[in-house]
Amino acid sequence: LAKTTQPISMDSYEGQEVNITCSHNNIATNDYITWYQQFPSQGPRFIIQGYKTKVTNEVASLFIPADRKSSTLSLPRVSLSDTAVYYCLVGTVMDSNYQLIWGAGTKLIIKP
Amino acid sequence: KAGVTQTPRYLIKTRGQQVTLSCSPISGHRSVSWYQQTPGQGLQFLFEYFSETQRNKGNFPGRFSGRQFSNSRSEMNVSTLELGDSALYLCASSRDSNTEAFFGQGTRLTVV
Repeated sequence: LAKTTQPISMDSYEGQEVNITCSHNNIATNDYITWYQQFPSQGPRFIIQGYKTKVTNEVASLFIPADRKSSTLSLPRVSLSDTAVYYCLVGTVMDSNYQLIWGAGTKLIIKP
Repeated sequence: KAGVTQTPRYLIKTRGQQVTLSCSPISGHRSVSWYQQTPGQGLQFLFEYFSETQRNKGNFPGRFSGRQFSNSRSEMNVSTLELGDSALYLCASSRDSNTEAFFGQGTRLTVV
């Protein structure tokens, strides 16, 4: 069963690019990698999802190497409002059903 | 379009009581998942409903149950409440399991 491991916390400064790496050594062939963002007292919010290589949307990029045993969420030019907890998830099929396996999350603190 | 709505937002119950939480998914979404979030355990999957059928279940005791109605609205019930059930309960809706999930703001349950 796939599990994710990510840093507990990270600090950065406004205007910087932030890269959060997640390892998922046991990822299965059909598993997708998804990242969510959560602010205090709110539910998680979808950021990006990918299967391999690179995916980019209006808020982030996701880099996945060929072996797919890790992935890196890249947030360009962060601002104070990007301070949140970021979850790396692996979507896995169990008994013909799709389930998201949530990691412990990375608390990102952006400083002025 | 309207987001995922969870009611109530806050709840205080006494040990031994039972509680029912409600979740209204985004229109058109047939999958509803429930999660428990605590500072110590993080986000833990409870169960998923799709078209009124429980499709997947996490590792929680039978005191935790749920159901989904024909309009995709879902309820979660916890019987014989314990102090350890105090948590933020999150509901997420999606078109299907492997698509982007949209979370509600959660119900904060406190058991005293």
